[in-house]
Amino acid sequence: AQSVTQLGSHVSVSEGALVLLRCNYSSSVPPYLFWYVQYPNQGLQLLLKYTSAATLVKGINGFEAEFKKSETSFHLTKPSAHMSDAAEYFCAVSDRSGAGSYQLTFGKGTKLSVIP
Amino acid sequence: EAGVAQSPRYKIIEKRQSVAFWCNPISGHATLYWYQQILGQGPKLLIQFQNNGVVDDSQLPKDRFSAERLKGVDSTLKIQPAKLEDSAVYLCASSLRDRASYEQYFGPGTRLTVT
Repeated sequence: AQSVTQLGSHVSVSEGALVLLRCNYSSSVPPYLFWYVQYPNQGLQLLLKYTSAATLVKGINGFEAEFKKSETSFHLTKPSAHMSDAAEYFCAVSDRSGAGSYQLTFGKGTKLSVIP
Repeated sequence: EAGVAQSPRYKIIEKRQSVAFWCNPISGHATLYWYQQILGQGPKLLIQFQNNGVVDDSQLPKDRFSAERLKGVDSTLKIQPAKLEDSAVYLCASSLRDRASYEQYFGPGTRLTVT
């Protein structure tokens, strides 16, 4: 089974500073990788996904992520943090279950705080 | 396009009581998922439906949890009897097809508190 590790359960940045959220995966096959964002009392919303078309993936709200096979990483970045970016971020990998269906395995999440 | 709808949004029950959650996926989405999200953790898949059939329920505690998807559209998840450790947010998600690259769309969740 594939797994996802998110380094840092809580990250704080100043408004306008670089955002870097780390995600490493384990996979024996080329993965499909996703970043989701969860605002308080809401469901998860897709930020971006990697499906092998390009290693640098651009998403919504100015976020992007780079797939690095040699490092088994898919870190999420944003050049300049905004107050509205404060939320919890989840990295996920698509995995084939024993039943043959496709499922998402999520990391434990990183809570991003933005300091004014 | 309407999103995934869930109700109720919040529920407080005592242990050993029963509770049911409802989900209406995005129209036309064949695949439906129920997740359990315990505070401080990522969502954990409980059950996956393809149309009105169960594809995978290997992580569903079947002694107390049950789920069904009526006519391949709406779905209900039931817990009977509830335990304290069932306190969590229950998320419903849907996807157009069962494909590795297809996005899952999530509802707002139901926050369950068992006292």
